[in-house]
This record gives sequence, structure tokens and C-alpha cells, in this order.
Amino acid sequence: AQSVSQHNHHVILSEAASLELGCNYSYGGTVNLFWYVQYPGQHLQLLLKYFSGDPLVKGIKGFEAEFIKSKFSFNLRKPSVQWSDTAEYFCAVNPNNNAGNMLTFGGGTRLMVKP
Amino acid sequence: DAGVTQSPTHLIKTRGQHVTLRCSPISGHKSVSWYQQVLGQGPQFIFQYYEKEERGRGNFPDRFSARQFPNYSSELNVNALLLGDSALYLCASSPMRTASGNTIYFGEGSWLTVV
Repeated sequence: AQSVSQHNHHVILSEAASLELGCNYSYGGTVNLFWYVQYPGQHLQLLLKYFSGDPLVKGIKGFEAEFIKSKFSFNLRKPSVQWSDTAEYFCAVNPNNNAGNMLTFGGGTRLMVKP
Repeated sequence: DAGVTQSPTHLIKTRGQHVTLRCSPISGHKSVSWYQQVLGQGPQFIFQYYEKEERGRGNFPDRFSARQFPNYSSELNVNALLLGDSALYLCASSPMRTASGNTIYFGEGSWLTVV
């Protein structure tokens, strides 16, 4: 069974600092990769997704992620965070085996941005 | 357009009782999935239904069951509730059975507290 690891459980940054959140997965086949964000009191929202092609994916709100197949990683980045980016971030993996759209989520990273 | 809608938003049940949670997918979406999110953890996949058939099942006991109706709405049923079933139950919808090329949208969830 596949698993997803997000090693940073809590991250505290000041506004304008750069962000990188790690995500590693274990699955031997091809995968679809996602980053979701959960703002306080709100539902999960998709930030970006990777299916194939260019491993550098750009999402909403200035976020991007890079798929490095050899490292089984899909790290999320943002050059300059804002206070409004305070939220919990989840990485998720779906095996691209035509079996279904089950997502395996990591444990999440809580980001706090200080104004 | 309405997003994924879930009801009820909050409920409290006693150990041993039964609960039914409901989900209406985005119009035109034929796939509905259910996830359990325990406080402080990432969501865990419970079921996927597509075209009224179960297409995937996570590692949950038989006390958990679900079904999808002709209008693609879905119910999640949990019997013989345990304290450990206290969690946020998320419904997700997508147009297709697989994740490739698709976006999976989440509802705001149903908070279940078992006392």
C-alpha cells in the first residue's frame, strides 16, 4: 500500500519569507500528485495537481510544486508567503493505475505566517 | 454552482448508536468518495462509488457502509459507534472514476462526536 510522508508538522514563518514543504511518497508505479490546503474553518481546496508532463507545476495563489521521480518527492514552494497563507497543507497521492480516484494523504503541515 | 454539500454539519451520538451522513456531489459528477479525518491527521479513504457501484474500499471495518443513489448522491452509514469514530467525515466528488486529468472537490464535512 502506498504512503505519504510530510516531515514538517508545524512551520512558522514571517511574511515575505520563502516556503518549502516536503512531501515524499512510497509507490512503485506512476502516480497522480496533489496539494490541498485547508484554511481555518474551511473545506479542503485544491492548490495544484500533477498528472504528467512538465514536473514543475504551478497552482493558485503563487504556489508551485516540483515532482522529482527519482526522489519520490513532490515538494510545495512559494517564494514569498503572506499572512493569509496561514493554513494546513496536505499532500496526496493517487496511483495512476486506472483503478479509481482514491487519494492517500499525508499527515499535513500546519503553517503559521506571522504578520 | 453549488459545491459538494454534506449534512448534517455537526452531530453528537452515543456509543453503540447508528449514524447516517449524506452527500450531494457537484452537478454532473458521478463519483463520490468518503474520507475520515481524525483531529490532527490527514484524511483517510473509506469508500469510492461511481455509477452507483462501489469502486474502492479503504481499511475500515464492516460497521462502515455506503451507497450511491440514481441521482449520484450518497450516504455513509456507521453502525455500533465507537468513541474512536469521532472525526470529520468528508465527501468528495469528481466527474470521472479515475483521478487522472480530473479535479476532486471536497465538501465541508460532517463533524461526528461519539460520547
